[in-house]
Parts: sequence; C-alpha cells; structure tokens
Amino acid sequence: AQTVTQSQPEMSVQEAETVTLSCTYDTSESDYYLFWYKQPPSRQMILVIRQEAYKQQNATENRFSVNFQKAAKSFSLKISDSQLGDAAMYFCAYRSYGQNFVFGPGTRLSVLP
Amino acid sequence: NAGVTQTPKFQVLKTGQSMTLQCAQDMNHNSMYWYRQDPGMGLRLIYYSASEGTTDKGEVPNGYNVSRLNKREFSLRLESAAPSQTSVYFCASSELQGSYEQYFGPGTRLTVT
Repeated sequence: AQTVTQSQPEMSVQEAETVTLSCTYDTSESDYYLFWYKQPPSRQMILVIRQEAYKQQNATENRFSVNFQKAAKSFSLKISDSQLGDAAMYFCAYRSYGQNFVFGPGTRLSVLP
Repeated sequence: NAGVTQTPKFQVLKTGQSMTLQCAQDMNHNSMYWYRQDPGMGLRLIYYSASEGTTDKGEVPNGYNVSRLNKREFSLRLESAAPSQTSVYFCASSELQGSYEQYFGPGTRLTVT
C-alpha cells in the first residue's frame, strides 16, 4: 500500500524568509499525482500545488514551488517570502490513477513576525 | 458556487446517540469521500463513493455507514456514537478523470462524551 511520510511535525520560519517542508512517499506505480494542501486555523483544506509524476519540470504557483525527485520518491514544498498568512498545517498527498488519496500526517508551520 | 457544503459545523453527542452528517456538492463531481482528521494522523478515509449508486469502505469504516443519496449528496451516519469517534470530519468530492484534485467541505467538529 502507498504511504506518505512527513518527517517534520512542526516547523517555524521568520517572516519574509524561505522554508522547505519535506515529504516522501512509497509507491510501485509509475504514473501518479502529488499534492500539497494547506489547512489554516479555519480548518478549510486548500490546494496549494500539484505535480504530475510524468512531468519532469517542478510545479510553481507564485511563492510556492516543489522539488520533485521521482527516483528518490521525494516531494518537498518550498515557500518563499513567507507571510503571516502562510501559518497553517500542510499536508502532502499522493494519488495514483483510479485510487484514493493517501495523506501524510501533516507539518504545522508557524511564521514568526 | 458553494462547492462542498457540510452540516452541522459542530456537534456534541452522548455515547450511544446517533446522528447523520450531511454533505452536498454542486460541482457535478462523480466521486465523494468522507474523512476523519485526528491529531498527528492526517486524514483517514472512512468511506467513499466512486460514482452515484456505489459506496465502498475506506481505511477506518467501523462504526459508520454512508448513503449516496444522489449525485450531489453523500451522508455519513454514526449509529451508536463512541468517544473514539470524537474527531473532525471532512467531506470531499472529485472527478474520476483529469487533475484528480479533491475539493473539501469546511468540516464538522464532533465531540462524543
């Protein structure tokens, strides 16, 4: 069965600095999707960024980018120019074709003013 | 466009009571899901419905039942609530094809005393 691991339960970053959240996953599939979701204190789950495994180019969405290493099964999220509003739980998730999502345990990010 | 809606937002039950959590989506998605979120464990799938008329067990189905009432609505029932079911419950929906992104409702915080 696929598993998703986030080895950093908590992290903190100074406002305007850069932080990287780690995620590794285990799969025997070659075609799949990876996601980062953000959950602020409001509890609403918000999609931050997604990556298709067949694409070699790393996905980018404004201040958010990923470092996708398919061979290493690693999918880290980099947040540049951190803002107070980035403080949240971040969940890494995996999904292969026709299968359900598998979520990691989450990383709580604090942003220090 | 409301997306995914859930009712209620908060609920307190006594052990042994029953209740139904309601979920509806207006995005014409085929698939719908129920998750529970517990500290340090991410989101765990309770039940899902890949398409109207079908339901399947997820990772943690014991103590729950579901009904896919129509394409829009997917309810989760606790027949005899237990303290171990204290959690935050999320409903989500997605398409079977394409980007596979899941869209989440705002969650229900359930406490069983």
